[in-house]
Amino acid sequence: AQTVTQSQPEMSVQEAETVTLSCTYDTSENNYYLFWYKQPPSRQMILVIRQEAYKQQNATENRFSVNFQKAAKSFSLKISDSQLGDTAMYFCAFTKGPAYGGSQGNLIFGKGTKLSVKP
Amino acid sequence: GAVVSQHPSRVICKSGTSVKIECRSLDFQATTMFWYRQFPKQSLMLMATSNEGSKATYEQGVEKDKFLINHASLTLSTLTVTSAHPEDSSFYICSARDRDSPRRSTDTQYFGPGTRLTVL
Repeated sequence: AQTVTQSQPEMSVQEAETVTLSCTYDTSENNYYLFWYKQPPSRQMILVIRQEAYKQQNATENRFSVNFQKAAKSFSLKISDSQLGDTAMYFCAFTKGPAYGGSQGNLIFGKGTKLSVKP
Repeated sequence: GAVVSQHPSRVICKSGTSVKIECRSLDFQATTMFWYRQFPKQSLMLMATSNEGSKATYEQGVEKDKFLINHASLTLSTLTVTSAHPEDSSFYICSARDRDSPRRSTDTQYFGPGTRLTVL
């Protein structure tokens, strides 16, 4: 069975600084996808970034980047130049892939990290 | 793109009544839709997975007769909480997976804004 662990229940960072959120996972699959979702106080789940396991290059999306270490089963999220709007719960998630291989695409979530960006 | 809507956003009902929540993919066809439940300050708990035109697959411990799921089209799934009780009060979130758009990954779930259910 797959598991996702986020070991930091809460973190805080000063505005404009950089913060890294940790995520580790356990799986015997070789082909899978990893995600970071953000849930602000509105509770709308927003996709932040996505990583295919077969890609060695770390995914980046503007101020968000990941450090994907497949052998260590680690998938951390780095937020650069933190903004007040980044304040949210951040969930790391895993799914088996690919979709056409019969995977239902079930997401397995970590427990989340509450990030507070302070002015 | 990849917008998912949910209706209603909030609902209050009396114990014993049934409540229907709709989940729509607005600009894409959803191969699969998912229903989650989230308690305060907790992660999302998958309740069931539904594929268009077939019966939903429920997670262990989720009562299929209490949480009825219908996925009648590629853009609409509904969750009906039957004979609701106060312990069913929660935040319910749906998500949809894109069918086969070349512009988007088919392994990414897009989430609706959620429905807060309060059962009195």
